[in-house]
Amino acid sequence: QVQLVQSGSEVRKPGASVKVSCAASGYKFTDWYIHWVRQAPGQGLEWVGWIDPNSGGPEYAERFQGRVTMTRDTSISTAYLELTSLKPDDAAVYYCAREGGLSYWGQGTLVTVS
Amino acid sequence: DIVMTQTPLSLSVTPGQPASISCKSSRSLLYSDGRTHLYWYLQKSGQPPQLLLYEVSRRFSGVPDRFSGSGSGTDFTLKISRVEADDVGIYYCMQSVDLPRTFGQGTRVEIK
Repeated sequence: QVQLVQSGSEVRKPGASVKVSCAASGYKFTDWYIHWVRQAPGQGLEWVGWIDPNSGGPEYAERFQGRVTMTRDTSISTAYLELTSLKPDDAAVYYCAREGGLSYWGQGTLVTVS
Repeated sequence: DIVMTQTPLSLSVTPGQPASISCKSSRSLLYSDGRTHLYWYLQKSGQPPQLLLYEVSRRFSGVPDRFSGSGSGTDFTLKISRVEADDVGIYYCMQSVDLPRTFGQGTRVEIK
């Protein structure tokens, strides 16, 4: 069965960086884009961007341009999201989700900025 | 960016009764491939969102048939024919016809 397993919670100070991983299993990793979506406490869903695991090519939401980097390691079927220059309002649960209508989601990674 | 607007923002439903959520997009979600890229998700408390419907009305694997979707162009509706306790949570619509992907604000459904 398709599974996306994310890395654990992170605490960072403002101005620092964070890198979250998303390990995929149960399907061919390079066949489906991986999206990243975040959710601030008590708020709705916000699309951060996607990565094509086949080519490695990313697409980022404009508001994160310059601060976000999405990468992948096909040898271990894992996608990564790195966010730099963290601000307090970057505090959120970060989800990875597989393309195909975001049909499968990771469990989420809580990033605290304080 | 395409703006997705959901109404109502909250809904209180008696078990066994129907419920309906509207989602309107700021432009047509009909893509050049002939498909309409509108999706519905349910997020239960403390969990990631789960896909309910894709391309307006197609139920994802395992989704009960009490969930249905309709609409075209810019106006869409999610209907629950008979609400159950397990349907409690926040429902989101999302468009994937253009980047960035955008979501509605969410509709909180609770049981009376």
